[in-house]
Amino acid sequence: NAGVTQTPKFRVLKTGQSMTLLCAQDMNHEYMYWYRQDPGMGLRLIHYSVGEGTTAKGEVPDGYNVSRLKKQNFLLGLESAAPSQTSVYFCASSFQGARREQYFGPGTRLTVT
Amino acid sequence: AQSVTQLDSQVPVFEEAPVELRCNYSSSVSVYLFWYVQYPNQGLQLLLKYLSGSTLVESINGFEAEFNKSQTSFHLRKPSVHISDTAEYFCAVRRSGGYQKVTFGTGTKLQVIP
Repeated sequence: NAGVTQTPKFRVLKTGQSMTLLCAQDMNHEYMYWYRQDPGMGLRLIHYSVGEGTTAKGEVPDGYNVSRLKKQNFLLGLESAAPSQTSVYFCASSFQGARREQYFGPGTRLTVT
Repeated sequence: AQSVTQLDSQVPVFEEAPVELRCNYSSSVSVYLFWYVQYPNQGLQLLLKYLSGSTLVESINGFEAEFNKSQTSFHLRKPSVHISDTAEYFCAVRRSGGYQKVTFGTGTKLQVIP
């Protein structure tokens, strides 16, 4: 079991460039999430998905888009990167139900110059 | 709406000393409570959780947390810390029923000093 994997691990972008972060999980989880982690701010939810083909906005969705075409994959896109999007991005997944814990990937460190 | 407060951003403690990391939450409905740990350059992983029943929950590596409904707290404790406990600890709360968002605290960095 690989758990939750994220690609890439590091990336440097210039302002205005685009990129896609890939998250994959092999635990057959229904729910998947994208968070960003910034110093002193904890984790903030960007977008989430409760099932294949469905996505929803979290706390800080502006500037990001997501897709979940397959149950095991959740993609996060930045169409036009901005320096404010410099952060560490974490993907997580869980079984459905509020009692279930989330399983996190190792993170992607993104720098936008 | 729910919220989580971790009052201490950093807690230095000597090896083998006890430690308490504080977490307070607010919610108008029943919640589930979680502690996650993040080791350097890694993702978060579950340390322990309170769902119902006994208010004292334990982890496999010696941490424990007590749910106190009257004080709306879920403090994390360990009687004797080890160097390997150096990490950032996040308290999280989630309302019961259907899909509910998880609200994370801002984290407490535990630094164990040899």
